[in-house]
Amino acid sequence: GNSVTQMEGPVTLSEEAFLTINCTYTATGYPSLFWYVQYPGEGLQLLLKATKADDKGSNKGFEATYRKETTSFHLEKGSVQVSDSAVYFCALSDANTGNQFYFGTGTSLTVIP
Amino acid sequence: EAGVAQSPRYKIIEKRQSVAFWCNPISGHATLYWYQQILGQGPKLLIQFQNNGVVDDSQLPKDRFSAERLKGVDSTLKIQPAKLEDSAVYLCASSSRFSGGFTDTQYFGPGTRLTVL
Repeated sequence: GNSVTQMEGPVTLSEEAFLTINCTYTATGYPSLFWYVQYPGEGLQLLLKATKADDKGSNKGFEATYRKETTSFHLEKGSVQVSDSAVYFCALSDANTGNQFYFGTGTSLTVIP
Repeated sequence: EAGVAQSPRYKIIEKRQSVAFWCNPISGHATLYWYQQILGQGPKLLIQFQNNGVVDDSQLPKDRFSAERLKGVDSTLKIQPAKLEDSAVYLCASSSRFSGGFTDTQYFGPGTRLTVL
């Protein structure tokens, strides 16, 4: 079946530190992969996505590369800001299962000045 | 472009009471989803609509949960009667089209936080 495994949190970093949040997946077909971000009190917002192997999604300084050989989609940012403090969710969508989304459990990030 | 709207934002009820949530998707989005997000977990799909038809409701506890999408636009999710374990955030999302060969981005509303006492 389909599933997503995310790095456990919470993660606390100093401003300008390098961020990596690990995400691996299991899928029966050829899924699309997503990172969503949830700021306090708000709904999920799409951060970036990749629809096929070796694609790199990027947005707001964040990036993630679809690695089929390692079934991974790790999120990275070279220099985090306080405003990046949020919960990050990795997700996959598989057209073979009706485009249903499968989410990881989320990783809470706190960036301190 | 207006986003996905949900109401109410917060609801507190006692167990065995009934509750309903409302969702208005992004204009023109044919596909609508309801998710349950329990604290500390990722969202779990409850039901997916394509226009006003149900595509997937395999994880909807049908003995107490029901959902409808009349006229293929707004949707309501109801819980009757509520249990303590229903305390969660209920998220509504929409996407622009459904296709067996293409995956569309889902856009989420702010959610309704339900507390069952």
